Amino acid sequence: AQSVAQPEDQVNVAEGNPLTVKCTYSVSGNPYLFWYVQYPNRGLQFLLKYITGDNLVKGSYGFEAEFNKSQTSFHLKKPSALVSDSALYFCAVRDSYNQGGKLIFGQGTELSVKP
Amino acid sequence: NAGVTQTPKFQVLKTGQSMTLQCAQDMNHNSMYWYRQDPGMGLRLIYYSASEGTTDKGEVPNGYNVSRLNKREFSLRLESAAPSQTSVYFCASEKGMWMNTEAFFGQGTRLTVV
Repeated sequence: AQSVAQPEDQVNVAEGNPLTVKCTYSVSGNPYLFWYVQYPNRGLQFLLKYITGDNLVKGSYGFEAEFNKSQTSFHLKKPSALVSDSALYFCAVRDSYNQGGKLIFGQGTELSVKP
Repeated sequence: NAGVTQTPKFQVLKTGQSMTLQCAQDMNHNSMYWYRQDPGMGLRLIYYSASEGTTDKGEVPNGYNVSRLNKREFSLRLESAAPSQTSVYFCASEKGMWMNTEAFFGQGTRLTVV
């Protein structure tokens, strides 16, 4: 069965510093990986996805993520954090082995960026 | 653009009461989902509908039923609410699960069962 884990409940970063939010996954086939962001009292918004191709994926708001097959990871990164990046971030995975498989989310990581 | 619309936004139920959460999307999407969000648990999939006319269980289907009324609408029913069903419920849709497109989410329904 597919699964995804976000090992950190919270990440604290100073504004202007680089940030990383970690995600690891487990699937039977090839993974299709996604990052979403949730602002307070809102639904989730899509940030970026990896389906195939380049391991470094660029997305919205200056975020990028690196797919690492050997480490089964898909960490979210940004070179310079903004206070406005403070939100709840979710990693999600779909398993190619299960054609048309469902989208499964991790537990979420609370990102706090301080001025 | 309305996107994904959920009703109601807030609801308080007594234990044992029933209710239906409504979800509609106007993007002509094929696939729709219901998730619940609880602190420390992230989003857990309750039921999903890959396309009109099909529904399947997710990770936590017990105590819930769903109906894919048509391509636009996907409702979630609690037949006999329990305090453990207190949560924030999100509906989502995407063009098609097999297309690996992005999912669009509603704003959520905050449900409290007392």
